Amino acid sequence: SAVISQKPSRDICQRGTSLTIQCQVDSQVTMMFWYRQQPGQSLTLIATANQGSEATYESGFVIDKFPISRPNLTFSTLTVSNMSPEDSSIYLCSVQDRESPTDTQYFGPGTRLTVL
Amino acid sequence: RKEVEQDPGPFNVPEGATVAFNCTYSNSASQSFFWYRQDCRKEPKLLMSVYSSGNEDGRFTAQLNRASQYISLLIRDSKLSDSATYLCVVNTDSWGKFQFGAGTQVVVTP
Repeated sequence: SAVISQKPSRDICQRGTSLTIQCQVDSQVTMMFWYRQQPGQSLTLIATANQGSEATYESGFVIDKFPISRPNLTFSTLTVSNMSPEDSSIYLCSVQDRESPTDTQYFGPGTRLTVL
Repeated sequence: RKEVEQDPGPFNVPEGATVAFNCTYSNSASQSFFWYRQDCRKEPKLLMSVYSSGNEDGRFTAQLNRASQYISLLIRDSKLSDSATYLCVVNTDSWGKFQFGAGTQVVVTP
């Protein structure tokens, strides 16, 4: 499976600011995704990061709040914009390294965000 | 109704005992099924895929019941290191549409 790293691993931010999270994969992957896991909750898909085009957002998530970039097949960023305490969460990127949509996803170590 | 539902537990299991728990899903078009394990403050890690015929990986056995729309996980000879939250994951044939259950917490005690 691919080796995935995320930066930063954690951060504490002031409300109203923005944070950009990086996800780096050690091999080219077809699909990259961004999830959020709020305290005590399961994972919620934010968006699919598409290489060379705009991300595909899930219901309840919008580009202005969570802009995503994916300049190539090994790297993506998620920005959490104009943060509020409700954005405090763990943000995880994941990848699928095969062509089939039913294949397994592997997760990065996550970014733990606290917004004051 | 949630798409994937799990008993949150915790299941308190003596070391060496067997524990089993289920996960139900609502979308009959779901194509693939997985169990992930998540340790406290860590990312989810794939434990095993779940195949129609059922499958076993060491002490772990997964079953799929399409008629009743549930999957199960059984852990035999529980180890202290099995203590974790087990996430049920269901996918339709859409890209990336992994639906996660809220997780079942297992606590193995000495």
